[in-house]
Amino acid sequence: GAVVSQHPSRVICKSGTSVKIECRSLDFQATTMFWYRQFPKQSLMLMATSNEGSKATYEQGVEKDKFLINHASLTLSTLTVTSAHPEDSSFYICSAPPTGAVNTIYFGEGSWLTVV
Amino acid sequence: GNSVTQMEGPVTLSEEAFLTINCTYTATGYPSLFWYVQYPGEGLQLLLKATKADDKGSNKGFEATYRKETTSFHLEKGSVQVSDSAVYFCALTTNAGGTSYGKLTFGQGTILTVHP
Repeated sequence: GAVVSQHPSRVICKSGTSVKIECRSLDFQATTMFWYRQFPKQSLMLMATSNEGSKATYEQGVEKDKFLINHASLTLSTLTVTSAHPEDSSFYICSAPPTGAVNTIYFGEGSWLTVV
Repeated sequence: GNSVTQMEGPVTLSEEAFLTINCTYTATGYPSLFWYVQYPGEGLQLLLKATKADDKGSNKGFEATYRKETTSFHLEKGSVQVSDSAVYFCALTTNAGGTSYGKLTFGQGTILTVHP
């Protein structure tokens, strides 16, 4: 079946560095992908909508210059956490509804980011 | 806007007990409703879904019925197992087929622990 692959699954980085997380649809095209963030023992909060070929749409309160999103193709979206700080440590997860398929939404496996 | 409210947890049950996790929602437009499960340290897995009123989603012994009149989508299972211990999220999306489809609003999550 359809799969969304997210990489890396775990990453540790130093404060001040940047980290890139990839979200890839393996056997379907996704015009739109979504990035969520989950703090420990909390729910998922939508960060931004990634749109293929255009700028991402960020939710209120999410710094677009800090969380750079690039949707370069119909199968790949990337989230780059720039100048990471310990408070950016979190679980990041992407989702993708296949283009043209309603009521179907696939999630990646998620990425654990720890900033030290 | 859209919102999802889940019953407060955590929920602790003995094996073979009956499970109900309440979920109510408010939505702009006609929502599709989902239950996702998250096992410790993992991403989200779709448990079941329903896309129109009176639809019943079911999977692995879990069921939920889309009740438009009460704006609810309660999750039930007749006999839980230890392996069902996880966090359960109720979620919705609106604008099926539209550009914002797939943008999920999540409930706060309910931690379920099942003891032998």
